[in-house]
Amino acid sequence: AQSVTQLDSQVPVFEEAPVELRCNYSSSVSVYLFWYVQYPNQGLQLLLKYLSGSTLVKGINGFEAEFNKSQTSFHLRKPSVHISDTAEYFCAVSHAGGTSYGKLTFGQGTILTVHP
Amino acid sequence: EAGVVQSPRYKIIEKKQPVAFWCNPISGHNTLYWYLQNLGQGPELLIRYENEEAVDDSQLPKDRFSAERLKGVDSTLKIQPAELGDSAVYLCASSLARAGKSGETQYFGPGTRLLVL
Repeated sequence: AQSVTQLDSQVPVFEEAPVELRCNYSSSVSVYLFWYVQYPNQGLQLLLKYLSGSTLVKGINGFEAEFNKSQTSFHLRKPSVHISDTAEYFCAVSHAGGTSYGKLTFGQGTILTVHP
Repeated sequence: EAGVVQSPRYKIIEKKQPVAFWCNPISGHNTLYWYLQNLGQGPELLIRYENEEAVDDSQLPKDRFSAERLKGVDSTLKIQPAELGDSAVYLCASSLARAGKSGETQYFGPGTRLLVL
């Protein structure tokens, strides 16, 4: 079985400051990793994903994440946030192959609030 | 390109009543997912379809929940009878997953917010 832990339920930050949203996962097999963003009353939108190759992944809206296999982490970062980044962010993992491929297991979510 | 469409967006019913949610995936996407999202939680998979076949329904409470995807395109999720604890957001997603491949992006609809009174 696989699991995802998002270490912070809420992260407040001032506009133009950097931010890091932390994600750790647990799995006995190789995984793919994802970050999704959910704005109020909307569905989830993919920010970025790691499948293989370079451990630093760049996504939309200036976000990036780094896969660290030894620490089983996939933290999301942005060097300078905007008010419009206020949303809930979900880290997710799926098995890289096998019969359960495609099934996403999500973390609890981190609410990012950007203050002016 | 149109995204994943869900209806209704909001539904309020009394407990023990039936309710149905509809989802139309992105054109050409053969894989469809239904997720349950409780308040303050991440989505949890209920059922996954590849074309018409339900390939993973292990998390679907089959005593009251049912789903179908008859022509391999749109899908309906039904609850009968609804209970107070079913109040949540029901999300539909689709992807272009191919057999033996993984890592395809799942595209989510806006969800149906259900309130059971």
